[in-house]
Amino acid sequence: QLQLQESGPGLVKPSETLSLTCSVSGDSVSSSTYYWAWIRQPPGKGLEFIGSVFYTGSTYYNPSLKSRVTVSLDTSKNQFSLKLSSVTAADTAVYSCVSWNPVFFYFGYWGQGTLVTVSS
Amino acid sequence: QSALTQPPSASGSPGQSVTISCTGTSNDIGAYNYVSWYQQHPGKAPKVIIYEVSERPSGVPDRFSGSKSGNTASLTVSGLQAEDEANYYCSSYAGNYWHVVFGGGTKLTVL
Repeated sequence: QLQLQESGPGLVKPSETLSLTCSVSGDSVSSSTYYWAWIRQPPGKGLEFIGSVFYTGSTYYNPSLKSRVTVSLDTSKNQFSLKLSSVTAADTAVYSCVSWNPVFFYFGYWGQGTLVTVSS
Repeated sequence: QSALTQPPSASGSPGQSVTISCTGTSNDIGAYNYVSWYQQHPGKAPKVIIYEVSERPSGVPDRFSGSKSGNTASLTVSGLQAEDEANYYCSSYAGNYWHVVFGGGTKLTVL
């Protein structure tokens, strides 16, 4: 059973960079089974795809966030990470790391999510 | 504004059926049979209940069914039960540019 767990600061100042890490157990981030993705949900609002990375290093990013986002793998720690630069209050959200099934095209396993607040 | 359009709310009495629509474009729902639906209870992570338009993952009751016509996908919940009260989100693959898009979510209330 795949398990994902987010970690990182819960409070980030405006204009700074949001950094989160997702620890994966039950599979290797180096396998071809899944893409590894980040999704966010602002309080009281819907879901938004942020970006994803495959074991090959190939990435997909939401075009509306692409200029500020980096999703990368750390195979030595079986983790993947998210960096979102120049944050504003609009980036306040619950951030979840998720597995993307590249055969059937759905998000199968989710972390519990972590609230990141952008405030000075 | 979400890429896919869902009604903000839906409701039904126990035992009844409810259908939630999800409207996209010819670039997402209309182009691919990769529509998925997610159920989210308050404070919990979303859970996939439908993928590839109408397929159910193991363990999802057959009361949940999905379909698609043109640029609109639908989720039907039959024999409503109290535990079906949740938010439901649709999603579609949208090609290499947008990759994945979501609907704004529908709050299903069991009366």
